[in-house]
Amino acid sequence: DTGVSQDPRHKITKRGQNVTFRCDPISEHNRLYWYRQTLGQGPEFLTYFQNEAQLEKSRLLSDRFSAERPKGSFSTLEIQRTEQGDSAMYLCASRRASAHDEQFFGPGTRLTVL
Amino acid sequence: KNQVEQSPQSLIILEGKNCTLQCNYTVSPFSNLRWYKQDTGRGPVSLTIMTFSENTKSNGRYTATLDADTKQSSLHITASQLSDSASYICVVSVSGTYKYIFGTGTRLKVLA
Repeated sequence: DTGVSQDPRHKITKRGQNVTFRCDPISEHNRLYWYRQTLGQGPEFLTYFQNEAQLEKSRLLSDRFSAERPKGSFSTLEIQRTEQGDSAMYLCASRRASAHDEQFFGPGTRLTVL
Repeated sequence: KNQVEQSPQSLIILEGKNCTLQCNYTVSPFSNLRWYKQDTGRGPVSLTIMTFSENTKSNGRYTATLDADTKQSSLHITASQLSDSASYICVVSVSGTYKYIFGTGTRLKVLA
């Protein structure tokens, strides 16, 4: 068990391009979260998966954003037609089903949209 | 509205000194409260978790307190070290849901 991993760690893209991020949770964790964090702020909830089911999407997640978790293992977050306002750190976290279980965060993907 | 507010927004202290960070929450129903440490450019790492019935919990030089009546928590750092320089985020989970409410964090800088 090496913890939650995210790839890539950094992504620089031009406005209008599509980007995709990957998150590999801890293997026995069936719950997975995506967050967005801008400088000086706490993480903001984007979406939540329980196994392969996406149970909630924040209204922050516009139509340009889509997330998947096929087979209930790794997850991807895609941003289409990126805008400069999408520049942020995208964090993935996973946890087990028990009520007080800790969310374990990945190192994040830093996105810069030029 | 479920909210978590932290103070101060930022703090600078000298190495070896103590400090206390504050967290006020209006989250209902309350499940538990965690303090996370987030180094620059990294994901948050949990320091402590406190449930409704717990008043104090320690993790090395970190001591968290919880007053469920006033809905306040504090994180006390003793004998600060340069490596304590980070953001400290208070997170409250909503009972019966999968939701977490995050504070905006306190940015701590420890100077030599």
